[in-house]
Formats: sequence, C-alpha cells, structure tokens
Amino acid sequence: GIQVEQSPPDLILQEGANSTLRCNFSDSVNNLQWFHQNPWGQLINLFYIPSGTKQNGRLSATTVATERYSLLYISSSQTTDSGVYFCAIPISGTYKYIFGTGTRLKVLA
Amino acid sequence: SQTIHQWPATLVQPVGSPLSLECTVEGTSNPNLYWYRQAAGRGLQLLFYSIGIDQISSEVPQNLSASRPQDRQFILSSKKLLLSDSGFYLCAWIAPDRTQYFGPGTRLTVL
Repeated sequence: GIQVEQSPPDLILQEGANSTLRCNFSDSVNNLQWFHQNPWGQLINLFYIPSGTKQNGRLSATTVATERYSLLYISSSQTTDSGVYFCAIPISGTYKYIFGTGTRLKVLA
Repeated sequence: SQTIHQWPATLVQPVGSPLSLECTVEGTSNPNLYWYRQAAGRGLQLLFYSIGIDQISSEVPQNLSASRPQDRQFILSSKKLLLSDSGFYLCAWIAPDRTQYFGPGTRLTVL
C-alpha cells in the first residue's frame, strides 16, 4: 500500500524563524491535505492541495505530484504554530485516508 | 456551514466497563464518516468508516464497534473496555471535494 513519510519528526524554532516541513508519498495521488493539530488535540485543516502551490497568510504549501512530495512552509513562526503537522492522502479506489507520522513543531518565545 | 460535534470531551472509565462515544454532523447530508484513534504522541489510526446508514467498514480487529443509527450520527461503542483502548478518539467527515474535517475529539482514559 501507499507509504507516507514526514520529515523532520521534530523541530524546534525560535519565534520569527522560517521552516519547511516535508511529506513524501510512495504512489501517485490526486488529493493531499495538510493539518495542524494544536496542543488541545484539535485537527485544523490547513490546505487541500493535490498539486501546485497555495498560500494562506504565513503558511504556504506546494505539492509536486510527479515527484511524490509536498512541502509546508511556515514563515515568521509564532508560538501558536506549535503542535503537530500531518499530511494525509486518500487511498486510491477506497474511501480511506492514510496519515503521515507527523512533524512535532515547538516554537519558542 | 457544516459543523461536527463529539461528546463527551473527556471520559475516564474502569477496565471492563462499556463505552459509547457520539459524533454528529450538521449542515450536510449523507456524509462519509470516520472514527480515528490517536495514542499519545502517535499518528492517527483509522478504526471505522461509513459511507451510509448500515454501511460500516472496520479497519482494525478489536473490541470496538461502530453504528450509524441516523444519516448524520456515528457511534463508537465497546462492551468491555481494555487498558489499550485509552487514547484520543476523533470523528471526521469528508466533504464532496474529499476534504476532511475533524471534530474536537474525545479523550478516553481507561484505568
């Protein structure tokens, strides 16, 4: 089955720094989502990005489907960006989704 | 707009007791619904998904079960909880464009 790997597993930043999170997948996809799980556990939908680039404020995401990866950029990080970031991909021909293992981000004040 | 509710928010139960967690979606009809479990510090594990009433698929053999008594209601149950059932339970629904939206979750501790 499709494999989804995220890197780095952990990241510590000083407030104001920029970062890039990566999601690699082993098969072609027609859908990819990025989520932020805040310290209270709520999963927030950041981007639905099967291909190309999207931006939302300080966050942007790029998916290169042909090369089987997606990147999440966080610029001018804030302490509220702390939490775990997941990418998720639907399994082709099914109604199921597979999640990556996540990147745990901590932004220090 | 669509909203997804889960209750209770937190639950502490003894080993061997029953369980019932509820998920309700508002503002849409016939949604695909999902139950996930997240162990502390780990990723999300798909437990059940449902594409309609009485259409439920189980992903992981365990002592949990799911039911969908109404179009927008998804119930996760157990007759006898195990210690290993502790975790964070998340309900999700899928919009027509296949975007997933999650509920606030239920944090279950089995003692």
